Amino acid sequence: DIQMTQSPSSLSASVGDRVTITCRASQDISNFLAWYQQKPGKVPKLLIYAASTLQSGVPSRFSGSGSGTDFTLTISSLQPEDVATYYCQKYNSAPFTFGPGTKVDIK
Amino acid sequence: QVQLQESGPGLVQPSETLSLTCTVSGYSISSGYYWGWIRQPPGKGLEWIGSIYHSGSTYYNPSLKSRVTISIDTSKNRISLKLTSVTAADTALYSCARGPDAFDIWGQGTMVTVSS
Repeated sequence: DIQMTQSPSSLSASVGDRVTITCRASQDISNFLAWYQQKPGKVPKLLIYAASTLQSGVPSRFSGSGSGTDFTLTISSLQPEDVATYYCQKYNSAPFTFGPGTKVDIK
Repeated sequence: QVQLQESGPGLVQPSETLSLTCTVSGYSISSGYYWGWIRQPPGKGLEWIGSIYHSGSTYYNPSLKSRVTISIDTSKNRISLKLTSVTAADTALYSCARGPDAFDIWGQGTMVTVSS
């Protein structure tokens, strides 16, 4: 099965900073990659699908890129409401594995 | 507006079967898409349990496959999850979600504790 990894596992940044999270698949998954945001006590929220397509209603400061095995989620200007854990997920074929998550907080 | 609502016992005895239901409103599940179950143990990450397509085709996490059954009831517009022989390691928040591709709509989740 394809394994998903994320780096870093956690980060702390200042408001307004550019933040980048990396997700790597152990095999080629084309662009079948989603990013989710999970705030404490809430279920995940879809941010990006097809590696780079912004889900409706998601702020434009979020962007995704990549294809094949290497993907990134970028927050162009970190806001206080972006404090959350971010997960990537492959969905090219079952199993639809999630990455281990990246916890983002404010410095 | 499409909404998903999980329901079921909050406490299950070890070695017994966990049974949950996800009721969908605002959309007929027989019309398309696939539906998934995801769980999250307290303080840990997300684990995909399995998915079922509107046609009835199922896909399961290999690590749980021997214990999991997901089914669909189009007459009641709901999806069900059964997990047999549960242990404390199955204690988690269980959520259902809709997937046109990625999971775009989630239920609020239901906490299930395995304990005697």
